[in-house]
Amino acid sequence: NAGVTQTPKFRILKIGQSMTLQCAQDMNHNYMYWYRQDPGMGLKLIYYSVGAGITDKGEVPNGYNVSRSTTEDFPLRLELAAPSQTSVYFCASSTLLAGWNEQFFGPGTRLTVL
Amino acid sequence: GQQVMQIPQYQHVQEGEDFTTYCNSSTTLSNIQWYKQRPGGHPVFLIQLVKSGEVKKQKRLTFQFGEAKKNSSLHITATQTTDVGTYFCAGPVGQGAQKLVFGQGTRLTINP
Repeated sequence: NAGVTQTPKFRILKIGQSMTLQCAQDMNHNYMYWYRQDPGMGLKLIYYSVGAGITDKGEVPNGYNVSRSTTEDFPLRLELAAPSQTSVYFCASSTLLAGWNEQFFGPGTRLTVL
Repeated sequence: GQQVMQIPQYQHVQEGEDFTTYCNSSTTLSNIQWYKQRPGGHPVFLIQLVKSGEVKKQKRLTFQFGEAKKNSSLHITATQTTDVGTYFCAGPVGQGAQKLVFGQGTRLTINP
Protein backbone atom coordinates (compact mmCIF):
# COMPACT_ATOMS: atom_id res chain seq x y z
CA ASN A 1 0.00 0.00 0.00
CA ALA A 2 1.19 3.50 -0.85
CA GLY A 3 -0.78 4.97 2.07
CA VAL A 4 -1.58 8.65 1.59
CA THR A 5 -0.03 10.33 -1.43
CA GLN A 6 0.05 14.04 -2.23
CA THR A 7 1.01 15.98 -5.34
CA PRO A 8 2.78 18.21 -6.03
CA LYS A 9 5.54 18.20 -3.41
CA PHE A 10 6.38 21.86 -3.99
CA ARG A 11 4.68 24.73 -5.78
CA ILE A 12 5.18 28.45 -6.19
CA LEU A 13 2.12 30.50 -7.10
CA LYS A 14 1.67 34.13 -7.96
CA ILE A 15 -0.95 36.15 -6.12
CA GLY A 16 -4.36 35.58 -7.68
CA GLN A 17 -3.50 32.25 -9.31
CA SER A 18 -5.45 29.09 -8.55
CA MET A 19 -4.38 25.49 -8.10
CA THR A 20 -5.55 22.10 -6.90
CA LEU A 21 -3.61 20.05 -4.37
CA GLN A 22 -4.16 16.37 -4.96
CA CYS A 23 -4.56 13.76 -2.22
CA ALA A 24 -5.24 10.05 -2.57
CA GLN A 25 -5.32 7.12 -0.16
CA ASP A 26 -5.46 3.40 -0.86
CA MET A 27 -6.45 2.20 2.61
CA ASN A 28 -10.22 2.42 2.03
CA HIS A 29 -10.52 5.00 4.80
CA ASN A 30 -13.80 6.86 5.08
CA TYR A 31 -12.39 9.92 6.77
CA MET A 32 -10.07 12.37 5.06
CA TYR A 33 -8.68 15.70 6.22
CA TRP A 34 -6.76 18.70 4.97
CA TYR A 35 -4.49 20.60 7.36
CA ARG A 36 -2.17 23.52 6.95
CA GLN A 37 0.96 23.99 9.01
CA ASP A 38 2.58 27.39 9.17
CA PRO A 39 6.29 27.57 10.08
CA GLY A 40 6.89 26.54 13.67
CA MET A 41 3.19 26.07 14.32
CA GLY A 42 0.74 23.27 14.84
CA LEU A 43 -1.77 21.81 12.43
CA LYS A 44 -4.96 23.65 11.59
CA LEU A 45 -7.88 21.82 10.00
CA ILE A 46 -9.09 23.32 6.72
CA TYR A 47 -11.76 20.86 5.57
CA TYR A 48 -12.64 17.27 6.23
CA SER A 49 -14.81 14.53 4.77
CA VAL A 50 -16.55 11.59 6.41
CA GLY A 51 -17.23 9.80 3.15
CA ALA A 52 -17.72 10.23 -0.57
CA GLY A 53 -20.02 13.16 -1.28
CA ILE A 54 -19.81 14.58 2.26
CA THR A 55 -17.52 17.44 3.24
CA ASP A 56 -17.47 19.98 6.05
CA LYS A 57 -15.51 23.02 7.11
CA GLY A 58 -12.75 22.93 9.66
CA GLU A 59 -11.12 25.74 11.59
CA VAL A 60 -9.68 27.74 8.66
CA PRO A 61 -11.74 27.09 5.48
CA ASN A 62 -11.71 30.57 3.93
CA GLY A 63 -10.01 30.67 0.54
CA TYR A 64 -10.28 26.92 -0.02
CA ASN A 65 -12.72 24.43 -1.47
CA VAL A 66 -12.87 20.65 -1.50
CA SER A 67 -14.77 17.84 -3.15
CA ARG A 68 -14.97 14.12 -2.44
CA SER A 69 -16.37 12.21 -5.40
CA THR A 70 -14.64 8.92 -4.50
CA THR A 71 -13.45 7.24 -1.30
CA GLU A 72 -9.85 7.45 -2.50
CA ASP A 73 -9.47 11.09 -3.57
CA PHE A 74 -9.86 14.36 -1.69
CA PRO A 75 -8.52 17.34 -3.70
CA LEU A 76 -8.11 20.80 -2.16
CA ARG A 77 -8.71 23.80 -4.40
CA LEU A 78 -7.13 27.20 -3.79
CA GLU A 79 -8.85 30.05 -5.57
CA LEU A 80 -7.18 33.46 -5.89
CA ALA A 81 -4.03 32.58 -3.98
CA ALA A 82 -2.83 35.05 -1.35
CA PRO A 83 0.53 35.30 0.50
CA SER A 84 -1.29 34.27 3.71
CA GLN A 85 -1.79 30.85 2.11
CA THR A 86 1.94 30.18 2.06
CA SER A 87 2.18 27.05 4.17
CA VAL A 88 2.74 23.32 4.17
CA TYR A 89 -0.44 21.40 3.41
CA PHE A 90 -0.98 17.92 4.77
CA CYS A 91 -3.68 15.50 3.78
CA ALA A 92 -4.61 12.74 6.23
CA SER A 93 -7.01 9.81 6.40
CA SER A 94 -8.44 7.57 9.10
CA THR A 95 -11.07 4.90 9.71
CA LEU A 96 -12.51 5.97 13.08
CA LEU A 97 -13.14 2.34 13.93
CA ALA A 98 -14.38 1.64 17.48
CA GLY A 99 -13.18 5.05 18.64
CA TRP A 100 -9.69 4.55 17.23
CA ASN A 101 -8.93 7.63 15.14
CA GLU A 102 -5.29 7.23 14.20
CA GLN A 103 -4.67 9.59 11.33
CA PHE A 104 -2.26 8.68 8.52
CA PHE A 105 -0.59 11.69 6.93
CA GLY A 106 0.73 12.26 3.44
CA PRO A 107 4.20 13.75 2.84
CA GLY A 108 2.83 17.27 2.39
CA THR A 109 2.81 19.99 -0.27
CA ARG A 110 4.97 23.06 0.33
CA LEU A 111 3.22 26.05 -1.20
CA THR A 112 4.67 29.52 -1.57
CA VAL A 113 2.54 32.43 -2.80
CA LEU A 114 4.50 35.42 -4.07
CA GLY B 1 -14.09 26.16 20.86
CA GLN B 2 -12.10 23.36 22.36
CA GLN B 3 -8.42 24.13 22.79
CA VAL B 4 -5.43 21.95 23.41
CA MET B 5 -2.36 23.69 24.80
CA GLN B 6 1.13 22.28 24.90
CA ILE B 7 4.18 23.35 26.85
CA PRO B 8 6.98 24.01 26.42
CA GLN B 9 7.04 25.26 22.85
CA TYR B 10 10.76 24.45 22.54
CA GLN B 11 13.14 22.24 24.49
CA HIS B 12 16.84 21.81 23.93
CA VAL B 13 18.64 19.05 25.82
CA GLN B 14 21.98 17.31 25.90
CA GLU B 15 21.90 13.78 24.56
CA GLY B 16 21.16 11.44 27.43
CA GLU B 17 19.02 13.93 29.34
CA ASP B 18 15.32 13.37 29.89
CA PHE B 19 12.56 15.33 28.16
CA THR B 20 8.91 15.94 29.03
CA THR B 21 6.12 17.73 27.17
CA TYR B 22 2.74 18.53 28.68
CA CYS B 23 -0.65 18.81 27.06
CA ASN B 24 -3.76 20.45 28.57
CA SER B 25 -7.27 20.53 27.20
CA SER B 26 -9.98 23.07 27.96
CA THR B 27 -12.51 20.22 28.06
CA THR B 28 -12.60 16.55 29.04
CA LEU B 29 -11.31 14.31 26.27
CA SER B 30 -12.58 10.87 25.30
CA ASN B 31 -9.04 10.02 24.30
CA ILE B 32 -5.76 11.69 23.46
CA GLN B 33 -3.27 10.95 20.74
CA TRP B 34 0.40 11.75 20.33
CA TYR B 35 2.22 12.31 17.05
CA LYS B 36 5.86 12.88 16.14
CA GLN B 37 7.02 15.00 13.23
CA ARG B 38 10.65 14.78 12.19
CA PRO B 39 12.19 17.95 10.69
CA GLY B 40 10.90 18.33 7.14
CA GLY B 41 8.61 15.34 7.56
CA HIS B 42 4.97 14.64 8.24
CA PRO B 43 3.25 13.78 11.54
CA VAL B 44 3.37 10.11 12.46
CA PHE B 45 1.04 8.54 14.99
CA LEU B 46 2.71 7.31 18.19
CA ILE B 47 -0.07 6.27 20.54
CA GLN B 48 -3.64 6.75 21.72
CA LEU B 49 -4.65 6.84 25.40
CA VAL B 50 -8.26 6.23 26.37
CA LYS B 51 -8.63 5.44 30.07
CA SER B 52 -8.43 7.86 32.97
CA GLY B 53 -4.98 7.63 34.56
CA GLU B 54 -3.67 5.41 31.79
CA VAL B 55 0.08 4.99 31.42
CA LYS B 56 1.66 3.41 28.35
CA LYS B 57 5.30 2.82 27.53
CA GLN B 58 7.10 2.47 24.24
CA LYS B 59 10.75 1.71 24.97
CA ARG B 60 12.11 5.00 26.36
CA LEU B 61 8.81 6.89 25.85
CA THR B 62 6.19 7.03 28.63
CA PHE B 63 2.75 8.46 27.95
CA GLN B 64 0.26 9.42 30.66
CA PHE B 65 -3.39 10.44 30.56
CA GLY B 66 -4.61 12.44 33.53
CA GLU B 67 -7.23 11.23 35.97
CA ALA B 68 -9.63 13.96 34.84
CA LYS B 69 -8.87 13.20 31.17
CA LYS B 70 -7.97 16.84 30.56
CA ASN B 71 -4.21 16.56 30.50
CA SER B 72 -1.49 14.29 29.24
CA SER B 73 2.27 14.06 29.16
CA LEU B 74 5.02 12.44 27.14
CA HIS B 75 8.30 11.68 28.86
CA ILE B 76 11.41 10.50 27.05
CA THR B 77 14.16 8.93 29.15
CA ALA B 78 17.79 9.33 28.11
CA THR B 79 17.18 11.14 24.83
CA GLN B 80 18.95 10.08 21.66
CA THR B 81 19.54 12.07 18.49
CA THR B 82 16.82 10.02 16.81
CA ASP B 83 14.29 11.65 19.18
CA VAL B 84 14.72 15.04 17.48
CA GLY B 85 11.46 16.43 16.13
CA THR B 86 8.22 18.05 17.14
CA TYR B 87 5.80 16.18 19.37
CA PHE B 88 2.08 16.96 19.09
CA CYS B 89 -0.82 15.93 21.24
CA ALA B 90 -4.29 15.85 19.73
CA GLY B 91 -7.79 15.42 21.09
CA PRO B 92 -11.03 14.49 19.31
CA VAL B 93 -13.73 17.10 18.74
CA GLY B 94 -17.02 17.32 16.98
CA GLN B 95 -19.92 14.96 16.53
CA GLY B 96 -18.69 11.40 16.62
CA ALA B 97 -15.16 12.63 17.39
CA GLN B 98 -14.51 12.81 13.68
CA LYS B 99 -11.95 15.58 13.94
CA LEU B 100 -8.80 16.17 15.93
CA VAL B 101 -7.62 19.42 17.45
CA PHE B 102 -3.84 19.55 17.70
CA GLY B 103 -1.69 21.26 20.27
CA GLN B 104 0.96 23.67 19.02
CA GLY B 105 3.64 21.05 19.50
CA THR B 106 6.90 20.89 21.43
CA ARG B 107 10.01 21.08 19.32
CA LEU B 108 12.84 18.97 20.73
CA THR B 109 16.42 19.59 19.70
CA ILE B 110 19.36 17.59 21.06
CA ASN B 111 23.01 18.39 21.50
CA PRO B 112 24.99 15.22 20.73
